[in-house]
Amino acid sequence: SQKIEQNSEALNIQEGKTATLTCNYTNYSPAYLQWYRQDPGRGPVFLLLIRENEKEKRKERLKVTFDTTLKQSLFHITASQPADSATYLCALGVTGGGNKLTFGTGTQLKVEL
Amino acid sequence: NAGVTQTPKFQVLKTGQSMTLQCAQDMNHEYMSWYRQDPGMGLRLIHYSVGAGITDQGEVPNGYNVSRSTTEDFPLRLLSAAPSQTSVYFCASYLRAGEAFFGQGTRLTVV
Repeated sequence: SQKIEQNSEALNIQEGKTATLTCNYTNYSPAYLQWYRQDPGRGPVFLLLIRENEKEKRKERLKVTFDTTLKQSLFHITASQPADSATYLCALGVTGGGNKLTFGTGTQLKVEL
Repeated sequence: NAGVTQTPKFQVLKTGQSMTLQCAQDMNHEYMSWYRQDPGMGLRLIHYSVGAGITDQGEVPNGYNVSRSTTEDFPLRLLSAAPSQTSVYFCASYLRAGEAFFGQGTRLTVV
């Protein structure tokens, strides 16, 4: 069956360090993968999209990699700040049929001073 | 430009009652979806629409109905509420293979 796995344990890091979050999937052939940020009591907010033919995408302090052979995406936040503390969700999309997104359960990141 | 607006924000229902969760977007997006979010389960797709007049089922459609008479609106109807439908519901609209814009969510409790 199709499965998306994100580390369910919270990730605690010190301010200024690089946070790395993992998204693994099985039995999927996604056309693209997205990362979202979700704060308590709020809806997810889009961060980055990477397509199956792309290896890496960057946006300011954010970097996403996508390895379709390993079936894995890594999400990096460099020079992390306490304001980066949130839950981060990965989502896989397939073309056609409404471009439906399938989400992982998310990883909670806490950046400490 | 308000984005995606969901109403109400909170709702308590008794088992067996029906209600409609409202969702409206002002971005002229073709695609709209309803998700529910439960602890440890992530976001799960209930129903989705690829345009006005076209809807289809997602992963967990039982107990829910949708319709899409206009591009802007995509209401979700609970026919006969059950405690298992206690959840946080999110509506999203998006472009093809692009970022999804989510509403603020509706926290529903069925007692």
